[in-house]
Amino acid sequence: SQKIEQNSEALNIQEGKTATLTCNYTNYSPAYLQWYRQDPGRGPVFLLLIRENEKEKRKERLKVTFDTTLKQSLFHITASQPADSATYLCALLNQAGTALIFGKGTTLSVSS
Amino acid sequence: NAGVMQNPRHLVRRRGQEARLRCSPMKGHSHVYWYRQLPEEGLKFMVYLQKENIIDESGMPKERFSAEFPKEGPSILRIQQVVRGDSAAYFCASSSNPGGDGETQYFGPGTRLLVL
Repeated sequence: SQKIEQNSEALNIQEGKTATLTCNYTNYSPAYLQWYRQDPGRGPVFLLLIRENEKEKRKERLKVTFDTTLKQSLFHITASQPADSATYLCALLNQAGTALIFGKGTTLSVSS
Repeated sequence: NAGVMQNPRHLVRRRGQEARLRCSPMKGHSHVYWYRQLPEEGLKFMVYLQKENIIDESGMPKERFSAEFPKEGPSILRIQQVVRGDSAAYFCASSSNPGGDGETQYFGPGTRLLVL
């Protein structure tokens, strides 16, 4: 069955530093991978989608890479701010193409 | 353009009662997904519906749970005879173009169900 893992439950960094979050998957070759942000008590919010033929994608201070050989995606937030503190989820479309499979998330805390 | 709406935001039920969770997708979206998030766990897919059809219910427990998305009105997730283990946050998401070239799911704020 498809598995998706995010390497750490929590990540604490100083304001201004770059946060790097990791997402690994097994038993599957997805056509694309997505990253979402979830704040406490709220629903996930879509951030970025990267396709299998794209190595890297950027949006403002966010950057996502996708290595289909390593079966891994890295999510970077540059010049991090306390407002970036949240839980970040990676997600893959299941093989049936009917639903997203989510990792458990990494909770990022940015201290000033 | 209003986002995905869910109600109620919080629902308290006693064991054995029924819970009805409602979801109105974004305007123009005809695909609805329900997910459940248990404390300390990730989001788990439950069911995927299009208007009047259940496309994939592989993540939904076989008993006590049902879902519908009628031609008119919101999608409903129904839990009969609730038990304490049903306490969780239930999220609805909608999309306009699933599969194919890629798609984004837009999530609602969730309904937090507490079973006493």
